[in-house]
Amino acid sequence: SQTIHQWPATLVQPVGSPLSLECTVEGTSNPNLYWYRQAAGRGLQLLFYSVGIGQISSEVPQNLSASRPQDRQFILSSKKLLLSDSGFYLCAWSVTAISPQHFGDGTRLSIL
Amino acid sequence: SQQGEEDPQALSIQEGENATMNCSYKTSINNLQWYRQNSGRGLVHLILIRSNEREKHSGRLRVTLDTSKKSSSLLITASRAADTASYFCATDQGGSEKLVFGKGMKLTVNP
Repeated sequence: SQTIHQWPATLVQPVGSPLSLECTVEGTSNPNLYWYRQAAGRGLQLLFYSVGIGQISSEVPQNLSASRPQDRQFILSSKKLLLSDSGFYLCAWSVTAISPQHFGDGTRLSIL
Repeated sequence: SQQGEEDPQALSIQEGENATMNCSYKTSINNLQWYRQNSGRGLVHLILIRSNEREKHSGRLRVTLDTSKKSSSLLITASRAADTASYFCATDQGGSEKLVFGKGMKLTVNP
């Protein structure tokens, strides 16, 4: 069966520090991969999605970037974190663009 | 842009009651999906209904779709405290490259 791993579960970082969040999927090949951010009590904001290795689409101009170095690995990065980068970050995968998405357990990021 | 909008934003009921949540959307769709999110966790896919379907069941869940009104409803029958969560609808945009999620609605089931 397919599984998705996302880590770390929580992270506290100072303003201006770098960020790297990693997401890996097992049990499937060539998945569509997604990074979302969710503000407290709010809906999902799609940040990036990828349909293949090295193919990244950005939805919102911001302080973050994403990379897909391997088929089932998706990384969210920042060179310098801002206070506004705080939030709950979710990684997800799907077979096609409009098929059901399967989510990781998220990373709670707090910027101090 | 926002595609699905859940209604109501929050619902509080007693255990054993039925819970109905509605979702409205703006453009034509291929399918509509419902998800659940427990506090502090990722979303879990519940059910998908295609544009040519009108009703679908899964256990205690019943989903209806009215494409003429661009709306869907999720009914949870005989609710349990464990159903307490946020519920989201998600739609494509009739051939779009991605799903768009609504803002979600919070269901509280009191024991």
